[in-house]
Amino acid sequence: EAGVVQSPRYKIIEKKQPVAFWCNPISGHNTLYWYRQNLGQGPELLIRYENEEAVDDSQLPKDRFSAERLKGVDSTLKIQPAELGDSAVYLCASSLAGDNEQFFGPGTRLTVL
Amino acid sequence: QKEVEQNSGPLSVPEGAIASLNCTYSDRGSQSFFWYRQYSGKSPELIMFIYSNGDKEDGRFTAQLNKASQYVSLLIRDSQPSDSATYLCAVRTSGGSYIPTFGRGTSLIVHP
Repeated sequence: EAGVVQSPRYKIIEKKQPVAFWCNPISGHNTLYWYRQNLGQGPELLIRYENEEAVDDSQLPKDRFSAERLKGVDSTLKIQPAELGDSAVYLCASSLAGDNEQFFGPGTRLTVL
Repeated sequence: QKEVEQNSGPLSVPEGAIASLNCTYSDRGSQSFFWYRQYSGKSPELIMFIYSNGDKEDGRFTAQLNKASQYVSLLIRDSQPSDSATYLCAVRTSGGSYIPTFGRGTSLIVHP
């Protein structure tokens, strides 16, 4: 069974440019999470989806970050414009339901120059 | 503000020894506790979870929970060099929120 798929794995952009990350969860997993992990820190939740509905997005910087999960399957996280402080690993995770084990994707390492 | 505290380490132990990793949390309403292992450059993977006070054993791993002291620990017996990684503690409260709060992780080095 395929795990959580993320692309791209690495992205280098200049500040003020837009960037998008894509995530395809494990088949059948209704809950999808986007996390940001800074170096030497634990993951920090940005947004959680139950199917296509965003149910926890209080940590998402809405002035520059947006996310969507239109058909309740794959999801896109966008940053526009990117800032130097956005450099981090962006992790996607999925679970069958909100209270089940989360499975993480390999992450996208973003470097903003 | 819900906080999960871990010593960043590194914790260095010899091969075959017991590694003890500790985590404290601030929210008394916390109900679920998780330990993830994260190898350098990789994503976290769940190795244990515990909900009730006491010990839970799985192979070489034992999770210990003391809700009165707001303390959860992970013991790794017969540590192997392949156990060298960062161990993340995550805590989740009840009340319908499934947002886990992660600690910063403890780096474990098992040397031959």
